[in-house]
Amino acid sequence: EPEVTQTPSHQVTQMGQEVILRCVPISNHLYFYWYRQILGQKVEFLVSFYNNEISEKSEIFDDQFSVERPDGSNFTLKIRSTKLEDSAMYFCASSEAGGNQPQHFGDGTRLSIL
Amino acid sequence: LAKTTQPISMDSYEGQEVNITCSHNNIATNDYITWYQQFPSQGPRFIIQGYKTKVTNEVASLFIPADRKSSTLSLPRVSLSDTAVYYCLVASNDYKLSFGAGTTVTVRA
Repeated sequence: EPEVTQTPSHQVTQMGQEVILRCVPISNHLYFYWYRQILGQKVEFLVSFYNNEISEKSEIFDDQFSVERPDGSNFTLKIRSTKLEDSAMYFCASSEAGGNQPQHFGDGTRLSIL
Repeated sequence: LAKTTQPISMDSYEGQEVNITCSHNNIATNDYITWYQQFPSQGPRFIIQGYKTKVTNEVASLFIPADRKSSTLSLPRVSLSDTAVYYCLVASNDYKLSFGAGTTVTVRA
């Protein structure tokens, strides 16, 4: 079964540094998403992306965050200047279509900010 | 977005059937009911989705009454590996999923 893959599985970064999290969505999917989950808390929506532009973003997704699909396969999340509170699991997801279509998640990148 | 309410936790034993009921009183006409499963340190995994009546796949069944204000996820003959958090979501023509706290199901030997 095709799956969403994320790299790295664990990223340790100094506060204030930039970090890029990478995702390879399922190949025929057109919609892409980022979520995060702080340890012990709910999975929170960050952003959705379709047709090379952001479809929707949450309040969490401020100017420090950006997303990009640099080529036909990768989907990246960049955090420009990391803060301690950015420490979390970051999940990428993709779906064939938007709306009610099930989203398929990767196993996440654990981001630890020191 | 329709708010969902589900039990915080449930305990079961291997081989039993587990039924998790979720209430979504404010569900809209276009909304579908979707269930995800999450193991520790993994991403949520889609289990099943339905609009009304009953849906069954190789993993679970989903029962939705006519008024659609609640739904029940049924896991037949659970094993230890079914220990996970189960999320009930109401998905509409929207791009984001709103996860609640989910139901932590613990299966014991």
